This record gives sequence, C-alpha cells and structure tokens, in this order.
Amino acid sequence: KQEVTQIPAALSVPEGENLVLNCSFTDSAIYNLQWFRQDPGKGLTSLLLIQSSQREQTSGRLNASLDKSSGRSTLYIAASQPGDSATYLCAGGTSYGKLTFGQGTILTVHP
Amino acid sequence: AAGVIQSPRHLIKEKRETATLKCYPIPRHDTVYWYQQGPGQDPQFLISFYEKMQSDKGSIPDRFSAQQFSDYHSELNMSSLELGDSALYFCASSFVHSTDTQYFGPGTRLTVL
Repeated sequence: KQEVTQIPAALSVPEGENLVLNCSFTDSAIYNLQWFRQDPGKGLTSLLLIQSSQREQTSGRLNASLDKSSGRSTLYIAASQPGDSATYLCAGGTSYGKLTFGQGTILTVHP
Repeated sequence: AAGVIQSPRHLIKEKRETATLKCYPIPRHDTVYWYQQGPGQDPQFLISFYEKMQSDKGSIPDRFSAQQFSDYHSELNMSSLELGDSALYFCASSFVHSTDTQYFGPGTRLTVL
C-alpha cells in the first residue's frame, strides 16, 4: 500500500525566498507523481505532473523532481510571493490513475 | 478553458437520508475519479471510471455507489448518510487514463446533520 509523507507540515518564509517542499513515498512502483495547490476550502489546482520515466518538470517559478529509487520528490519554488500561500499536496499515482495524497505542507509567504 | 463541473456545490442532509452528487468532466476527458476529503484530512480515493466502466475502487463504503454515463458525466449516490460522511467530495477528470494530469472540480461540500 502506497504511503505518502510530506515534510515540513508547515513553512513560513519572507517574500522573495526560494524554498523546497519535500515528499516521500513508500512504493517505488509509482506510475507518476503530481503536485497540487489547495487554497482553504477550495479545490485542488494541478501544478506539475512527473511521469515515472522523468526526472523533473518545470513550470514558471516551479520545479519538481522525482527520484524513484530513493522514493522522493521535491517541489522548488523560486522567488516566493504572498500569493503562493496555500497548502501544497503531492500525490503518487498508480497505473489505474488512483492518487494517494500526502498530508500537505501549509505554506505562508509574508510580505 | 472548460473545467470540471460539480453540482451541487453545497448540500445539507439529515442522517439516514440519501444524496446524489454529480460531476461533469472536461470535454473529451474519458476518465472520472471521485475523492473524499474530511476536515483537516488529505483527499482519499473512492472510485474511478474509464469509458463508463469502473476502473479502480478505493475505500468507498458499501452505502455509496457510482456510475459513469454515456455522455461521460458521473454520479455518486450516497445512502443511509452518517455524520462521518460530512466532507468535501471532489471529482477529477483526465484525458488519458492513468497517465494524464487529473483536473479537479471545485468540490461538493456535504454536511450531514
């Protein structure tokens, strides 16, 4: 059974700082890994999808990496902004598409 | 761009009542997933459909059933509601089964009193 863990549970940084969110998973037979953003009481917005054959994906100020052998993924956010404040969730996907989520990292970027 | 549509957005029911949640995937998406997110919890996978057939099943109670229709919309039927069923229910859709990004709808907030 896939288990996904995210560290840290919460992070508070000043605006402009670069930061890294960590995600670890127990089953290396992961099919893909997806990073999401969730604002309070809202839905999930997909940020990046990394297939199991890929090492990283980039979108704007976001860069996600995947290391299947160590069971880890990281989300790097460059030049953080107050608008980046949200909960960030990583999720491991199976060959049938089922996503197993981590508990999330609550990010606060203060001006 | 069109997004996943869920209805209703909010639903209040009494214990032992039934509820039906609807999901309309992004046009041309053939796969639908349902997730349940309890207060302060991460989303938990319930069930998925690909081309109108159930493709995977998670921790979905026997009191719940779901199906995908010919127009690819999906409905989650919940019976004998319990207080613990109060949660946000998300539907997600994808274009290519299992390998594509899952796009989530805004969710239906179910409150059971």
